[in-house]
Amino acid sequence: EIQLQESGPGLVKPSQSLSLTCSVTGYSIISGYDWSWIRKFPGNKMEWMGYISNSGSTNYNPSLKLRISISRDTSKNHFFLQLNSVTTEDSATYYCARYGYYSGDFDYWGQGVMVTVSS
Amino acid sequence: QITLTQQAESLWVSPGEKVSITCRASQSLLYTDGKYYLSWYQQRPGQTTRALIYHASIRTDGVPTRFIGSGSGTEFTLSIEDVQPEDIALYYCLQTLKKPSTFGAGTKLELK
Repeated sequence: EIQLQESGPGLVKPSQSLSLTCSVTGYSIISGYDWSWIRKFPGNKMEWMGYISNSGSTNYNPSLKLRISISRDTSKNHFFLQLNSVTTEDSATYYCARYGYYSGDFDYWGQGVMVTVSS
Repeated sequence: QITLTQQAESLWVSPGEKVSITCRASQSLLYTDGKYYLSWYQQRPGQTTRALIYHASIRTDGVPTRFIGSGSGTEFTLSIEDVQPEDIALYYCLQTLKKPSTFGAGTKLELK
């Protein structure tokens, strides 16, 4: 069974960096698919943030391009999100998800982790 | 970027009824492979986000047959026939035709 699980600090101070980990079990992140980060703001707006492909290439939402980095540790089957210079507007629930090329959808999601940006 | 509009913020329904959630795209979601890159998702509190429909009308494995996706071009619909109490949730449409992928604002299904 494929499972994704987000982890990381629930509270980050403004201007600092937000760092999250997505732990994947049941499928190797180098075998295929793109591995994405998505967030949901208070009020329910959803935003796709970016992905790292099975080959290690990345693609980011232009709205975040200067602040975001997605990387991976293939030995642990984890991938990571780093978002720099956060503000209170980055407070959201952050999800990791798998994107399938054939289906064109996000077929597996993590439970989500809530992150609050506050001093 | 492509904008998806889900007009209804909330819809109220009684168990056993049929409900339709609409999603309108700012441009056609048809790709050169002949498929629509429009999918639907369900979010319930405490549950993992569930993929329901992909390519506008194909049901994901394990999704009950009462969930029906339809539409073409820029207009898409998720219909739920014979609504069950466990269908009370937040529903999103998503386009993955062009980056950045974008979501609709979400429609909350609530019990009358």
